[in-house]
Amino acid sequence: GAVVSQHPSRVICKSGTSVKIECRSLDFQATTMFWYRQFPKQSLMLMATSNEGSKATYEQGVEKDKFLINHASLTLSTLTVTSAHPEDSSFYICSAPGAGGPQYFGPGTRLTVL
Amino acid sequence: QQQVKQSPQSLIVQKGGISIINCAYENTAFDYFPWYQQFPGKGPALLIAIRPDVSEKKEGRFTISFNKSAKQFSLHIMDSQPGDSATYFCAASIEEGSGGSNYKLTFGKGTLLTVNP
Repeated sequence: GAVVSQHPSRVICKSGTSVKIECRSLDFQATTMFWYRQFPKQSLMLMATSNEGSKATYEQGVEKDKFLINHASLTLSTLTVTSAHPEDSSFYICSAPGAGGPQYFGPGTRLTVL
Repeated sequence: QQQVKQSPQSLIVQKGGISIINCAYENTAFDYFPWYQQFPGKGPALLIAIRPDVSEKKEGRFTISFNKSAKQFSLHIMDSQPGDSATYFCAASIEEGSGGSNYKLTFGKGTLLTVNP
């Protein structure tokens, strides 16, 4: 299947700093990518849809000014958590739809805010 | 409003047994139903998927059964192995005529499967 990568795999930062997470589709192009957040022992919660060449679409309750999304190219989307606080600590996962519809997920990024 | 309900929340099976996880959906517009397997600290991996034009799909030890009239689908893992121990998520999406932006998935809450040796 198609491969989606994320970088970094884990990050620890101080409260108040900003953190950028990259999501790349390695062997296919993706005009759309999705960003999820997952808390321990819970399901994936869709945060936003990243659209190449246009603004991201955020799910209800997700602060667009806090979670900045930029779909810079057909293979790269970035999520920036601005002014991170301990409650933002979570597992962030991106996905991209491959040919024919199946979605492929990245390996996730563990964010810990101290 | 939970559009995809998954059960059980957790499941313990002996090695060699059959694991069965069930999901029910509400939105009749859903037309793509994947199952994902997730190990701790990893992203979900696509396991198997089905579209509503078939009632069953089998890939190796994994089978999806789909009941369109009941709006239910299930995952069967035959000859379960300790290496199958993971969290399994069912999901649903709308694909037909939607374009890429509507491929977003609605997930069930997950089932933690433990296969004892």
